[in-house]
Amino acid sequence: EAGVTQFPSHSVIEKGQTVTLRCDPISGHDNLYWYRRVMGKEIKFLLHFVKESKQDESGMPNNRFLAERTGGTYSTLKVQPAELEDSGVYFCASRGRYLDGYTFGSGTRLTVV
Amino acid sequence: EDKVVQSPLSLVVHEGDTVTLNCSYEVTNFRSLLWYKQEKKAPTFLFMLTSSGIEKKSGRLSSILDKKELSSILNITATQTGDSAIYLCAVEAGNAGNNRKLIWGLGTSLAVNP
Repeated sequence: EAGVTQFPSHSVIEKGQTVTLRCDPISGHDNLYWYRRVMGKEIKFLLHFVKESKQDESGMPNNRFLAERTGGTYSTLKVQPAELEDSGVYFCASRGRYLDGYTFGSGTRLTVV
Repeated sequence: EDKVVQSPLSLVVHEGDTVTLNCSYEVTNFRSLLWYKQEKKAPTFLFMLTSSGIEKKSGRLSSILDKKELSSILNITATQTGDSAIYLCAVEAGNAGNNRKLIWGLGTSLAVNP
């Protein structure tokens, strides 16, 4: 079984540019989560999809962040326009409908300069 | 505010030593506590604990939850250099349905020297 795949693995962009991160969950997993780790801080929850619906987006920092999961398969997280404080590692995780363990992707390291 | 605190933040031991990592939490709507190991890339799942006092074991690793003390420990016996990693503790919080999320500690960085 393929794991959770994220790309790109690294992205360096200039302040004000747009970046789109992608996450492919484990096939058949209804639950998809985005988390972010800013350097020196804990990993923080961003949002949770159940299939294509946003179950909880309480962790999204502001309206520069837009997450989608059209068709309930892969998800994208767009940051527009990027700011310096958006730098960090963005993790995606998926989980089956029976709420077993969370499987994480390798993360996308975003650097905004 | 919900929080998870891990200690120590970093630890250096010699191969063969036994280590105990700590995780304490203050979280409303506690559902479970999870341990992950992170080397270079994705955090990999170690244990999920929901019941107090029941030890979970996997090889040289074991973990137990104490809901009275709001804490958990992760033990690693006979450490090996391959155990060097960041060990992350996360508490799953939420209601009985599917509206849950993980609250993370900072992690313990473990270095095992040969």
